[in-house]
Amino acid sequence: GQQVMQIPQYQHVQEGEDFTTYCNSSTTLSNIQWYKQRPGGHPVFLIQLVKSGEVKKQKRLTFQFGEAKKNSSLHITATQTTDVGTYFCAGGKSNFGNEKLTFGTGTRLTIIP
Amino acid sequence: GAVVSQHPSRVICKSGTSVKIECRSLDFQATTMFWYRQFPKQSLMLMATSNEGSKATYEQGVEKDKFLINHASLTLSTLTVTSAHPEDSSFYICSARGYSSHQYFGPGTRLTVT
Repeated sequence: GQQVMQIPQYQHVQEGEDFTTYCNSSTTLSNIQWYKQRPGGHPVFLIQLVKSGEVKKQKRLTFQFGEAKKNSSLHITATQTTDVGTYFCAGGKSNFGNEKLTFGTGTRLTIIP
Repeated sequence: GAVVSQHPSRVICKSGTSVKIECRSLDFQATTMFWYRQFPKQSLMLMATSNEGSKATYEQGVEKDKFLINHASLTLSTLTVTSAHPEDSSFYICSARGYSSHQYFGPGTRLTVT
């Protein structure tokens, strides 16, 4: 079945440093979504990428979808303590209908103040 | 934004009993609802997909007779863990999808079976 892996599993950074998590799917995706889960909380939708090579920005967050639509990355510039949490990518296989998502293994980000 | 609620947020039950978890979309109609299970420090594992008025589709390895899912309306889905055992202890999260492709997650239910 489809597998979605993320690296690294854990990342500890000094506040103000940049952070990147990489997401790789074993199969071609129709879209990739990113979610953030704070400690003790539930996943919150961040963004969806659909087009090959697409790049989207949300303030300090930059999301990329690979040309082959099998990988993606999330980059955070100048991390802040509010960025703490686990970031999951989730791969979708169709653009309509009862699409289910396959969640990546997640990257847990901790910030050293 | 869209809000999804879950009830209860925490439940402790004795081994052999059944527990029902409710998932509601509060301000939108959910054409599809999903049930996930998450172990500590792990990713979300999809258990089943449910559509209003039809039978749920279970993922491979998930026992449909143990995890009963009912999606009675466009705003409510329930998951019943029957004859619960300690290994069923986990964080159960539902999500709901309306007419967009992304999912709105509920706050989760932490189940502890003693």
